[in-house]
Amino acid sequence: EAGVAQSPRYKIIEKRQSVAFWCNPISGHATLYWYQQILGQGPKLLIQFQNNGVVDDSQLPKDRFSAERLKGVDSTLKIQPAKLEDSAVYLCASSLTGGGGTSYEQYFGPGTRLTVT
Amino acid sequence: GESVGLHLPTLSVQEGDNSIINCAYSNSASDYFIWYKQESGKGPQFIIDIRSNMDKRQGQRVTVLLNKTVKHLSLQIAATQPGDSAVYFCAEEAAGNKLTFGGGTRVLVKP
Repeated sequence: EAGVAQSPRYKIIEKRQSVAFWCNPISGHATLYWYQQILGQGPKLLIQFQNNGVVDDSQLPKDRFSAERLKGVDSTLKIQPAKLEDSAVYLCASSLTGGGGTSYEQYFGPGTRLTVT
Repeated sequence: GESVGLHLPTLSVQEGDNSIINCAYSNSASDYFIWYKQESGKGPQFIIDIRSNMDKRQGQRVTVLLNKTVKHLSLQIAATQPGDSAVYFCAEEAAGNKLTFGGGTRVLVKP
């Protein structure tokens, strides 16, 4: 089974520029997550989608970050304009969708390492 | 690939010895806990999980212990191998499959 795909793997931009990341989840996984992982820390959830709807975006800095999952499959995460503190690895994960308290394993992609100079 | 553990606590262990990694969680209402392994340049990989109605669960060479009284998790790795060198994170799950990750521990296996 193919895993979660992300691109690009690395990106270097200057502050105030914009950048976009792409994620293709595992086939059949209705739930998709974007995480930010700053060097030396654990991943922090930015946004969670179920199909093409947002379930949780409470930790997404909405003044500069946006994400979409228009057809309920692939997703893009955009930062505009970027700040120095946005330098991090951006991880995408996907899972089956549970209900009634069911938890499903989240499968992570390799991440995109963003450096803002 | 990039390192994810430059500023993390580090556990150095001799190959063949047992490793114990500890984690304190924050939310007493969390009822599901997972340990992840993250190698350099890769995303986190599921190792083992445990629900709050259990205090111990065993997998292949790994055991997770849960102490709800003091909100503490531990991961035990038996007969640690060079391939176990990585950063290990615990995560707690709130409603809606939302994970909150701990700070991580880097494990270095010495030959």
